[in-house]
Amino acid sequence: EAQVTQNPRYLITVTGKKLTVTCSQNMNHEYMSWYRQDPGLGLRQIYYSMNVEVTDKGDVPEGYKVSRKEKRNFPLILESPSPNQTSLYFCASSFSQGNGELFFGEGSRLTVL
Amino acid sequence: TQLLEQSPQFLSIQEGENLTVYCNSSSVFSSLQWYRQEPGEGPVLLVTVVTGGEVKKLKRLTFQFGDARKDSSLHITAAQPGDTGLYLCAGRWEMDSNYQLIWGAGTKLIIKP
Repeated sequence: EAQVTQNPRYLITVTGKKLTVTCSQNMNHEYMSWYRQDPGLGLRQIYYSMNVEVTDKGDVPEGYKVSRKEKRNFPLILESPSPNQTSLYFCASSFSQGNGELFFGEGSRLTVL
Repeated sequence: TQLLEQSPQFLSIQEGENLTVYCNSSSVFSSLQWYRQEPGEGPVLLVTVVTGGEVKKLKRLTFQFGDARKDSSLHITAAQPGDTGLYLCAGRWEMDSNYQLIWGAGTKLIIKP
């Protein structure tokens, strides 16, 4: 089954404790992206990757890091989480950036105390 | 900064009624997509419109792309409780062969039985 898998789905952590949200897709997609979703603000892009070893900042990259060492994986790293990073996070992938359907994971709800 | 204004932000109606959701921008998009998101899940693509004036139908849902490709509407006829969800529009904006997906903030739709 074609899917985007994120882990963990839910996480409560404390300020400053490094964490990683993993994302994996099994569709051989070149393009992958991370979004955060906050009430009234819609989806805001954090980082995206056009292909392996190619990553770029989205609209709200501060406080986040990513890597794309393999085509299927695109982890999101919060080196020192802060309460303003409490949000619902989505990983998404598509065949390419220019066209096509974005496939989303089920989301990771992160709470930073 | 490109903006895509979606309205209304929230709509609660009775089963059987009709409704229209709007997405408006001052920018011209190469295509526009509509997604639906249910609680606890990621957004799922409903339709992509590409040509100015294009109309697409998906059962009781009718999607229209504005003639100037700056706006779009989603009309639901005889709404059902299963239509409940968050509807998101996303415009694909091209600059220097690079594409950016601009998201509306979403319309939360509740259909009461």
